Parts: sequence; C-alpha cells; structure tokens
Amino acid sequence: AQTVTQSQPEMSVQEAETVTLSCTYDTSESNYYLFWYKQPPSRQMILVIRQEAYKQQNATENRFSVNFQKAAKSFSLKISDSQLGDTAMYFCAFMKHGKLTFGTGTRLTIIP
Amino acid sequence: DAGVIQSPRHEVTEMGQEVTLRCKPISGHDYLFWYRQTMMRGLELLIYFNNNVPIDDSGMPEDRFSAKMPNASFSTLKIQPSEPRDSTVYFCASTPQGGNQPQHFGDGTRLSIL
Repeated sequence: AQTVTQSQPEMSVQEAETVTLSCTYDTSESNYYLFWYKQPPSRQMILVIRQEAYKQQNATENRFSVNFQKAAKSFSLKISDSQLGDTAMYFCAFMKHGKLTFGTGTRLTIIP
Repeated sequence: DAGVIQSPRHEVTEMGQEVTLRCKPISGHDYLFWYRQTMMRGLELLIYFNNNVPIDDSGMPEDRFSAKMPNASFSTLKIQPSEPRDSTVYFCASTPQGGNQPQHFGDGTRLSIL
C-alpha cells in the first residue's frame, strides 16, 4: 500500500515570500501520478498542480512549481510570491489506478 | 461547466436516524469517489465506482455505511443507524475515464450527529 507523508503540520510565511512544502511517499510502483490540492477555509478541495512520474521535467503552474525527485520519492511544492489567498491546508496525494492516497496536510498561513 | 454537486451542504440529525448524502458527478465522468475527512485520519477513501459499478469498498468503515450509484449522474452515501462518531465532512469526487486524471471534488457535506 502507498503512504504519503507531509512532515510539516503547520507553516507560516510573510506575504510575497517563497515557501516550500515537503512531501514524501512510499511505493513500489514505477508509473503513477502525484498531486497537490489546496483546501481553503471554504472547505473546497482545489487542484493546484499535477506531476506524472514518467516525466522528468518538474510541473509548474504560474506561481506554483514542484521539485519531483523520483529516486528519493520526494514531491515538494514551491509557492513563489506568496499571497494572502494562498492561506489554506495543502495536501499532497499519490494516485495509482485511479485511487488517491492523501498526506495529512500542511496548514499554511500567509502573514500580511 | 457545473462541478461536482453535493447535497446537503450541512446535515444535522439525531443519533440513530438514517442519513443520506447525495452527489451529482460532472457529466461525462466515469469514476465517482466518496471520501470522509477527519482530524485523525485526514482524507480517506470510502468507496469508488466506475461506470456506476462499485469497484472498491474496502474503505467503508462498517456495515452501517452503504453507497449506491443507480445511474451515471447520481450517487448516495447512506449511514443507518447514524452515530455521533460519524460527524465529520464527507466529500464526493469524480474524474473522467482513464482513472489517472485529476479528481474534481464537490464542496462536501458537513454531517453532525447529535
């Protein structure tokens, strides 16, 4: 079974700074997908970014980028120029055969 | 495009009552998932369907929980009888055929069992 570990329960940074959220996972699979989801106080689960394990190039979406290290089974999320609206819970997730396994989340607070 | 629609948004009921949570997936999505989110266990998959057929219900906590998908546009999660420890947020999500596409989540139902 896959496991996903987010070792930072809480983080806070000043607005406009860069922050990196860590995620590691454990799997014996070679082909899989990784995701970061954001859950603001409104409770919605919003997809932030997606990475296919067979792609070496790190995914980017505007201010959001990942550092995917397949051998190390590491999938960190970098948020550049952080904004107040980035305040949320962030969940790392592993997907294989359509099933998502989530980490326990990191609560990120952006300080004005 | 309408997203995944869950109803009700909040449900408050007394212990022992039957509770029904509803979900309408995005049109054309062949996979539907039910999750619950708790402080202790985070987001855990309860059950998922492919083309209306339950594929994996190993996450359903006990026999009090049941889920159905009578057609491609509707699914229910029932708890009977409900207990206070069932109080939490339940999410429904759907994804297109292929299974490795991102899942689109509904806004969740917050369930409170008194």
